[in-house]
Amino acid sequence: EAGVTQFPSHSVIEKGQTVTLRCDPISGHDNLYWYRRVMGKEIKFLLHFVKESKQDESGMPNNRFLAERTGGTYSTLKVQPAELEDSGVYFCASSQPGRVGRSTGYEQYFGPGTRLTVT
Amino acid sequence: AQKVTQAQTEISVVEKEDVTLDCVYETRDTTYYLFWYKQPPSGELVFLIRRNSFDEQNEISGRYSWNFQKSTSSFNFTITASQVVDSAVYFCALSEALSGYSTLTFGKGTMLLVSP
Repeated sequence: EAGVTQFPSHSVIEKGQTVTLRCDPISGHDNLYWYRRVMGKEIKFLLHFVKESKQDESGMPNNRFLAERTGGTYSTLKVQPAELEDSGVYFCASSQPGRVGRSTGYEQYFGPGTRLTVT
Repeated sequence: AQKVTQAQTEISVVEKEDVTLDCVYETRDTTYYLFWYKQPPSGELVFLIRRNSFDEQNEISGRYSWNFQKSTSSFNFTITASQVVDSAVYFCALSEALSGYSTLTFGKGTMLLVSP
């Protein structure tokens, strides 16, 4: 079974440019999460989809970040315009579906991450 | 609010030594889940273990063992007879059941370097 995949693996862009990251979750996993790790800091939650719906986007840093999950399959995370502080590794994770409104504690399977460098 | 603290930033050991990675957590929930993930040099996060707050039994899986103690809010991870392939960054994480969903709160990670 294929794991979580992310594209690209590495992106280098200039400040002010736009970048779109893609995540393909494990087939059948309704839950899709985006996380980010800025150098030397914790991995921080960005947002959570259940199927195509955003359930929690409390971790999104600002309105320069836009996440979508059309059709409840793959997800994209667009940064526009990118700033220097957006540099980091962006992880996507997916987990099995569970009861709405209750944490299942199901383990999240992570992708390899996309390393974003904004210069 | 929940918090996970991994006080050890980096640990260096020689092969075959035992090593313990510390994890201390804070949560107001009575029901929660604790996790350990491994991040090898290739970059992906590899799931190692999940523990729920009602199960304080220690767990052993090969050379890996975990010690969960609610009294001290700790979930420590021990590698016995370490090997070079164990070199990685290890993350401890917490998920609160009553927050509604399974979002993870991570510690800063501990980098383990095992030399031959």
